Amino acid sequence: DGGITQSPKYLFRKEGQNVTLSCEQNLNHDAMYWYRQDPGQGLRLIYYSQIVNDFQKGDIAEGYSVSREKKESFPLTVTSAQKNPTAFYLCASRKQHQETQYFGPGTRLLVL
Amino acid sequence: EDKVVQSPLSLVVHEGDTVTLNCSYEVTNFRSLLWYKQEKKAPTFLFMLTSSGIEKKSGRLSSILDKKELFSILNITATQTGDSAIYLCAAPGIEGGKLIFGQGTELSVKP
Repeated sequence: DGGITQSPKYLFRKEGQNVTLSCEQNLNHDAMYWYRQDPGQGLRLIYYSQIVNDFQKGDIAEGYSVSREKKESFPLTVTSAQKNPTAFYLCASRKQHQETQYFGPGTRLLVL
Repeated sequence: EDKVVQSPLSLVVHEGDTVTLNCSYEVTNFRSLLWYKQEKKAPTFLFMLTSSGIEKKSGRLSSILDKKELFSILNITATQTGDSAIYLCAAPGIEGGKLIFGQGTELSVKP
């Protein structure tokens, strides 16, 4: 089945630790996106990538990093510089020249 | 600054009621407006609207866009408990196809 997968479903981070969230898609979509969702705030864009080996900061990029070495994969690292990482993280992808983004199931990150 | 605003932020109704969710926008070079439904996890796509006055319909859900007044509504008739979810509207921004999301409307349908 074609789709977007995210792992893990739940992730626990200790103080000072970097953690990486996985996002993979087999839809042959060109662009990929990372959003953060907090209660009552909708989705906020962290980073996005329109082509391999290129990515841009979104509205809340501080404390996060990404890479796009393969078209199918867009991992997000939450660094220790992100002081309030507890949130629901959603990955999305989009085919070139289309507006609709399709979402993965999300990763819930909790701080211990 | 581009923005999308939804109202109400939360809504509680009983099964069988009809609800109307609102989405207003101020977006540079507006092209389209999208509606998503989110039940605990991934938002799923409902509608994309590009033209004023043309209703899009899927079962009990329908949506329409008013490009003059810069808003869209999502109607749900004969609500069911399975309609309980967060409904998100979004509009593409100028750069990179990124979506600008509203805060979402949390709908709760009681039996």
